[in-house]
Amino acid sequence: DTEVTQTPKHLVMGMTNKKSLKCEQHMGHRAMYWYKQKAKKPPELMFVYSYEKLSINESVPSRFSPECPNSSLLNLHLHALQPEDSALYLCASSLRESGYSTDTQYFGPGTRLTVL
Amino acid sequence: GEDVEQSLFLSVREGDSSVINCTYTDSSSTYLYWYKQEPGAGLQLLTYIFSNMDMKQDQRLTVLLNKKDKHLSLRIADTQTGDSAIYFCAEIGMDSSYKLIFGSGTRLLVRP
Repeated sequence: DTEVTQTPKHLVMGMTNKKSLKCEQHMGHRAMYWYKQKAKKPPELMFVYSYEKLSINESVPSRFSPECPNSSLLNLHLHALQPEDSALYLCASSLRESGYSTDTQYFGPGTRLTVL
Repeated sequence: GEDVEQSLFLSVREGDSSVINCTYTDSSSTYLYWYKQEPGAGLQLLTYIFSNMDMKQDQRLTVLLNKKDKHLSLRIADTQTGDSAIYFCAEIGMDSSYKLIFGSGTRLLVRP
């Protein structure tokens, strides 16, 4: 089973709202990722958690706040977003086994976010 | 810096073979990946190849790697309308903190 699930599938929010995106995997993977993808562009890395610790933050604005409550769950808390933050938000996970030279990432279906 | 390039668009007739090309710059790349993205969906891992291999075949998919020229290709045999999608190649290097570097994506259109 190589499934990563994301909820909700679609989200519409105003600029003053607070909302959260959720990602879950049960493959025993120890690294989880958030990506942002604009139309007709490749995904852009936002955050990486490795063994439940934030290991990479790609200079993402503080209105995006990631959280990794346990090794299977990854959240992205959203507050005071701008219309230009509208995009497809993808979650991914990978094994991240020590000494293993590949770290294949498996992606979820994404959350389509619209900020009004 | 690391860079991955792909042609933007490919159109083929149903039943023909498709070849999607990719070039990369990071000589330390260890694994190279092909992902497929259908409209409104996430990325589906199609296949990957280790840098010490020249070729990998998986049913209708054939991946060729020319490490000297840093050129990667994905051949889809007997292309079907369901293969219409965007195809991303991506590399990961041992010195890249496991970060995937994506190409811009190739949109494949399969005509009936």
